[in-house]
Amino acid sequence: QSALTQPPSASGSPGQSVTISCTGTSSDIGGYNYVSWYQQHPGKAPKLLIYEVSKRPSGVPDRFSGSKSVNTASLTVSGLQAEDEADYYCSSYAGSNDFVFGTGTKVTVL
Amino acid sequence: QVHLVDSGGGLVKPGGSLRLSCVASGFIFSDYYMSWIRQAPGKGLEWVSCISSGSSNTYYADSVKGRFSISRDNAKNSLYLQMNSLRAEDTAVYYCARVNQWPDYFNSWGQGTLVTVSS
Repeated sequence: QSALTQPPSASGSPGQSVTISCTGTSSDIGGYNYVSWYQQHPGKAPKLLIYEVSKRPSGVPDRFSGSKSVNTASLTVSGLQAEDEADYYCSSYAGSNDFVFGTGTKVTVL
Repeated sequence: QVHLVDSGGGLVKPGGSLRLSCVASGFIFSDYYMSWIRQAPGKGLEWVSCISSGSSNTYYADSVKGRFSISRDNAKNSLYLQMNSLRAEDTAVYYCARVNQWPDYFNSWGQGTLVTVSS
């Protein structure tokens, strides 16, 4: 199973919005609503941001939102803050008891 | 509060073996599927394996199938990953993670343990 495709980098100024895409296939993103997003700061474990395409766990600010269209999922970070500077990974169930992660996107707050 | 503590990483020669452990606390361990996910240095995340709550089902990525074995001891709130025939490309930080509901998301992660495969 190939990794989902994300842009290597994205950036925005404080207060702006940034959207990260995550492109897969009909066998993963397009076939299931089990898309999740994770934030990882340097040297730290990943943290769940979004699950089931667009749901936020308690404690995650509503500045983070997710969506999906066909085979592409997206994460939008609104009102960028300095602490949002991190790596972001998407993930999807890929059928046959297999999971696939995205290639990762480094978000820089200018 | 959910807490996962990974351990067992270290330096091992190609072809060698290593056993990772993950001790869980703060939730009913036996109610949840558990998984191992790894991250090679400077690279992205890769799902490795998963085990059902009662150990009846185990799943593996193709890259480790036949070499790695996942297991758990619910009485000890512990998850394990036995890694055999290790290769240089297995070098990574290994995280244990709780699966909310198979095959959904990973909602809690350990701090990770580094495995280095090198001669």
